[in-house]
Amino acid sequence: AQRVTQPEKLLSVFKGAPVELKCNYSYSGSPELFWYVQYSRQRLQLLLRHISRESIKGFTADLNKGETSFHLKKPFAQEEDSAMYYCALRGGGSQGNLIFGKGTKLSVKP
Amino acid sequence: DADVTQTPRNRITKTGKRIMLECSQTKGHDRMYWYRQDPGLGLRLIYYSFDVKDINKGEISDGYSVSRQAQAKFSLSLESAIPNQTALYFCATSDSGRVYEQYFGPGTRLTVT
Repeated sequence: AQRVTQPEKLLSVFKGAPVELKCNYSYSGSPELFWYVQYSRQRLQLLLRHISRESIKGFTADLNKGETSFHLKKPFAQEEDSAMYYCALRGGGSQGNLIFGKGTKLSVKP
Repeated sequence: DADVTQTPRNRITKTGKRIMLECSQTKGHDRMYWYRQDPGLGLRLIYYSFDVKDINKGEISDGYSVSRQAQAKFSLSLESAIPNQTALYFCATSDSGRVYEQYFGPGTRLTVT
């Protein structure tokens, strides 16, 4: 079965603290994973994809096939990082639709 | 970013009523999607369309229908609304060459009383 699990509904950290948003997946093939973000009063948008291996707004995510994880990390959280974060897996087959996790709300306190 | 628009933005309706949510895009994308978002359940795919003649059911299509009137327009209908269809509905688009990069509309908040 293809599935994305985000175990934390809410994650609260203080400004300047490290943050890690957890994502685990279940997929039989070679996975393609993504993080989407929804800031307050803004639209859901793509944050990063594992293939690009880039850092966006200080966030990075490494695909760990052994642990079937794709955790999102940032060494020093900022208040503007407060948002809803969704991990997504590109499903198999010709459709290749995205399968979203349930989301984690990140709250960065001053 | 007004490339993907949804109307109405908010709607309150009564049980049993038929309601249509509309989505338009100017991005020129061939793929369009309808999702619903519920607290604690994340985003779930209702229907998706690869082009005007290709419409497919998603994870939770029961109680919904769609129409792809043109490449730029994708409508979602609730034939007979029920309270558990109260949710935030999102339309999204993507290019077939970059399926993973979906562009979302602002959402329609639907309340069924």
